Amino acid sequence: SYVLTQPPSVSVAPGQTARLTCGGNNIGSRSVHWYQQKPGQAPALVMYDDTDRPSGIPERFSGSNSGNTATLTMSRVEAGDEADYYCQVWDTGSDQLVFGGGTKLTV
Amino acid sequence: QLQLVQSGPEVKKPGSSVKVSCEPSGGTFSTYTFTWVRQAPGQGLEWMGRIIPVFGSTNYAQKFQDRVTITADESTTSIYMELSNLRSDDTAVYFCARSPRSGNFFDYWGQGSLVSVPS
Repeated sequence: SYVLTQPPSVSVAPGQTARLTCGGNNIGSRSVHWYQQKPGQAPALVMYDDTDRPSGIPERFSGSNSGNTATLTMSRVEAGDEADYYCQVWDTGSDQLVFGGGTKLTV
Repeated sequence: QLQLVQSGPEVKKPGSSVKVSCEPSGGTFSTYTFTWVRQAPGQGLEWMGRIIPVFGSTNYAQKFQDRVTITADESTTSIYMELSNLRSDDTAVYFCARSPRSGNFFDYWGQGSLVSVPS
């Protein structure tokens, strides 16, 4: 089955840029989606189809996907960005949906 | 703004079953896909399966294939997830989520339903 690998934790100072990675075999050929989850809340979509932002998500959030790594980039990081972030793909080969293990972003 | 309203917390005995509901506000399934995702305490997100109510088609995660059933009821306009043969490691928050017509991602989520299975 397809596996997505995320670093367990990333720390960044306020105002700096955070880059969260999601690794998978030839992930660049798939559409990657990202979710933000704050404690006690349901996840929320922050990026879909690699680079598209849902309405309400600030332009500070951007995405990229190439080769074996997809990246969610957050510029000018704020304290409110502190959360767990999960990447997700649909594996057409097995008709299964896959989540990465999640990255805890500490600001 | 769509809301997915889920049923309340449950405490179940090992070996029993639980059925969790999810009702989209607005009262229509249209052609959307509805998915169940669970999250054990302190753990990540785990996909369980999905249903396209208008077609009645389902996909299940291989891990849960033998124990989970996802259904949709037009009369109650609700989605259901039933998990059988419960174990203590099924203790988790269970979320329903909706996918738009155009993609395999989730633009709306329910508030979550806590299912506890004390050992």
